[in-house]
Amino acid sequence: AQSVTQLDSQVPVFEEAPVELRCNYSSSVSVYLFWYVQYPNQGLQLLLKYLSGSTLVKGINGFEAEFNKSQTSFHLRKPSVHISDTAEYFCAKNRRGTGGFKTIFGAGTRLFVKA
Amino acid sequence: ETGVTQSPTHLIKTRGQQVTLRCSSQSGHNTVSWYQQALGQGPQFIFQYYREEENGRGNFPPRFSGLQFPNYSSELNVNALELDDSALYLCASSSRDNSPLHFGNGTRLTVT
Repeated sequence: AQSVTQLDSQVPVFEEAPVELRCNYSSSVSVYLFWYVQYPNQGLQLLLKYLSGSTLVKGINGFEAEFNKSQTSFHLRKPSVHISDTAEYFCAKNRRGTGGFKTIFGAGTRLFVKA
Repeated sequence: ETGVTQSPTHLIKTRGQQVTLRCSSQSGHNTVSWYQQALGQGPQFIFQYYREEENGRGNFPPRFSGLQFPNYSSELNVNALELDDSALYLCASSSRDNSPLHFGNGTRLTVT
């Protein structure tokens, strides 16, 4: 079965420190990957996406992710976090089925940035 | 560009009742997906609608049903509510191709 695994449920980090949120996905012929962010009491917003091409993907708010096919990973990174980055982060994968694409999500990683 | 809007924002129902949640998709999007997000978990795919027809379904019982209208807005209906149905219900619209989802802010359903 198609799956997305986020290896850390919570990541505490100090402000201005670097952070990496880990994501592994189940391998398939075509791989389409996303990171979304969810702030309290809101829906999810797209941070970045990998559909094809360069394995290093840059997104909004200074985030980037690297697609690693051999390790089936798509880890999210930011070199220096801010208090405002405190949120829930979801890794997601599109899977092709009858009728088009469906998106499946990991369980999420709560990033908590401390002053 | 109008984003995805969901109504109501909060709802409290009693076990056994029925509920209807509504979603207006982003302009230009013809596909609507519904997700259930329990507290502390990732969104779980309920079903997807394209051109007014169900276009894929997750592991949810038949008492979860939906509709899509000609203007691409959508409804999620849940019959015979159970306590475990308490969750944030998210609607997301997209193009039919392999594009990202655009989410509404969700409806928080509490079943007592």
